[in-house]
Amino acid sequence: GEDVEQSLFLSVREGDSSVINCTYTDSSSTYLYWYKQEPGAGLQLLTYIFSNMDMKQDQRLTVLLNKKDKHLSLRIADTQTGDSAIYFCAESRDTGNQFYFGTGTSLTVIP
Amino acid sequence: GAVVSQHPSRVICKSGTSVKIECRSLDFQATTMFWYRQFPKQSLMLMATSNEGSKATYEQGVEKDKFLINHASLTLSTLTVTSAHPEDSSFYICSVPKRAFPYEQYFGPGTRLTVT
Repeated sequence: GEDVEQSLFLSVREGDSSVINCTYTDSSSTYLYWYKQEPGAGLQLLTYIFSNMDMKQDQRLTVLLNKKDKHLSLRIADTQTGDSAIYFCAESRDTGNQFYFGTGTSLTVIP
Repeated sequence: GAVVSQHPSRVICKSGTSVKIECRSLDFQATTMFWYRQFPKQSLMLMATSNEGSKATYEQGVEKDKFLINHASLTLSTLTVTSAHPEDSSFYICSVPKRAFPYEQYFGPGTRLTVT
């Protein structure tokens, strides 16, 4: 598969902003996603972005895409304890077919 | 959003036995489903693509005779771990791709397999 890298751990205080970063190598990626996984559960889609977009905002979530550097980030504003989870970025070239997942970032929110 | 169920959610079995995990797409028919394996604190590893009416496509390094996949209907795929060993203990997750914008995948809640 393609290489999709993330930092493993992030710790922030409640109320601060969290920024989770992801880098990928496949320049033909068309769709990029952020998924959230809570302990012992499956993955939940948080947001997505097309490769022809630079930024997308959805309530507390902001996704930034730097296609030139193949860098994707997820910013969570006003981070809450319920945001503690593992966050995966994923990229895909086809419509609904194989996804390549990042290594996952474990976010810990300190009260 | 669409719902994908998995059964069982947790199973403990003895070494040498076989275990079947079911994945059901509850909201729409799925000609394709994906099976992933996740080790603790690691990312998801795609094991195979389950195809309705034809053989599954396995990723490199995944033993097809050990991980039997049957896509019995447009809403059901099963993964059977045959002759399980402790190293097969893992979290198994299935997903169903959405064939329309934004082409996401819907994930099941996962099955925790522990082989003693």
